[in-house]
Amino acid sequence: DIVMTQSPDSLAVSLGERATVNCKSSQSVLYSSNNKNYLAWYQQRPGQPPKLLIYWASTRESGVPDRFIGSGSGTDFTLTISSLQAEDVAVYYCQQYYGSPYTFGQGTKLEIK
Amino acid sequence: EVQLVESGGGLVQPGGSLRLSCAASGFSFGTYWMTWVRQAPGKGLEWVASIKQDGSEKHYADSVKGRFTISRENAKNSLYLQMNSLRAEDTAVYYCATSPGEKWLVYFDYWGQGTLVTVSS
Repeated sequence: DIVMTQSPDSLAVSLGERATVNCKSSQSVLYSSNNKNYLAWYQQRPGQPPKLLIYWASTRESGVPDRFIGSGSGTDFTLTISSLQAEDVAVYYCQQYYGSPYTFGQGTKLEIK
Repeated sequence: EVQLVESGGGLVQPGGSLRLSCAASGFSFGTYWMTWVRQAPGKGLEWVASIKQDGSEKHYADSVKGRFTISRENAKNSLYLQMNSLRAEDTAVYYCATSPGEKWLVYFDYWGQGTLVTVSS
């Protein structure tokens, strides 16, 4: 199984500041045949289901604010929130869909400082 | 608007059975892979099972293989999860989710609100 490891486990950032969440996979999730990274990011607000933010490592889902930026390739990925808003308080998960079983990171809890 | 509404959760004793349902609307249900993902209380997300558009291909997590069965009825726009031999560690909120396109191994673009399954004596 591909193990997804996120860092940090929790993060407190001031409103308007940048937040960065990291995700590392135990093997590459880059498919050489199409040069795509099979990596998604989800946001889960308290009491809500997960919501897709980013797929193919850097493609923003329709309707997701452009302050959410996905980057990285191979085994190392980053979700950046360029200017933190109050509604961004949530747990963020990365997920690989390169191979079965699908696996998720353990989650990063983002709070306001 | 895509809607996924899970039902069927509840309290069940260890060793018991439960059948979850997911009612889908707002999209062409029969053309997408469907998936169950669970989340134990205060924990992260765990993929459970996925089923192909016509039901001909199914995939399961090792933790549920042989105990859970995923199925679907396209005529009723419905997804199911039959859970047998339930254990305390199966306690979780169970979400149904869709994947875009026609292929296995894709991200999940829509999620239901979830249904809570509690396995306890």
